[in-house]
Amino acid sequence: AQSVTQPDIHITVSEGASLELRCNYSYGATPYLFWYVQSPGQGLQLLLKYFSGDTLVQGIKGFEAEFKRSQSSFNLRKPSVHWSDAAEYFCAVGISGTYKYIFGTGTRLKVLA
Amino acid sequence: EAQVTQNPRYLITVTGKKLTVTCSQNMNHEYMSWYRQDPGLGLRQIYYSMNVEVTDKGDVPEGYKVSRKEKRNFPLILESPSPNQTSLYFCASSLSIPTKDSPLHFGNGTRLTVT
Repeated sequence: AQSVTQPDIHITVSEGASLELRCNYSYGATPYLFWYVQSPGQGLQLLLKYFSGDTLVQGIKGFEAEFKRSQSSFNLRKPSVHWSDAAEYFCAVGISGTYKYIFGTGTRLKVLA
Repeated sequence: EAQVTQNPRYLITVTGKKLTVTCSQNMNHEYMSWYRQDPGLGLRQIYYSMNVEVTDKGDVPEGYKVSRKEKRNFPLILESPSPNQTSLYFCASSLSIPTKDSPLHFGNGTRLTVT
């Protein structure tokens, strides 16, 4: 069965430190991969997306993600975190040829000043 | 401005009292969907619609109804709400089936409390 796993429920980093949020998926073919961010009281906003091509994709707000087929992973990274990055982050898989999206359970990021 | 609009943002109701949460998008998107977000469970799909008059069940459809009479609107109906439907609800839309160039656009959410 298709699934998305975000192993870290909460992550705390200091402002200016680097960040990596983990995402693993289970799917037979290459999926459409997305990272969304949810700020408090807001809907989800697309950070970046991947289907094919260069395995390192750049997104908005200085985020990037790397697709690793061998590890079935699509980890999100940022070199230097800002206090405004505190939010909840969701990894999602779009199942090719269907209307189905599968979301991970989210990682809540806290940024220390 | 391209957006998905949900109303109301907050709703408190009592068990059994029918309610409707509205969702409207102005991007001429074919696909619309409803999700509920619960702590530790992430987003789970309730219903989705591929186009006008075409809807299908998601992963957690029990206790919900939807309709898609117009392309822009996709209301979520709870005919007899129960406390286990207390949750944060999101409407989302996309141009077509999920692809790299057709990501989901989300509304700002509706927080529903059923007492």
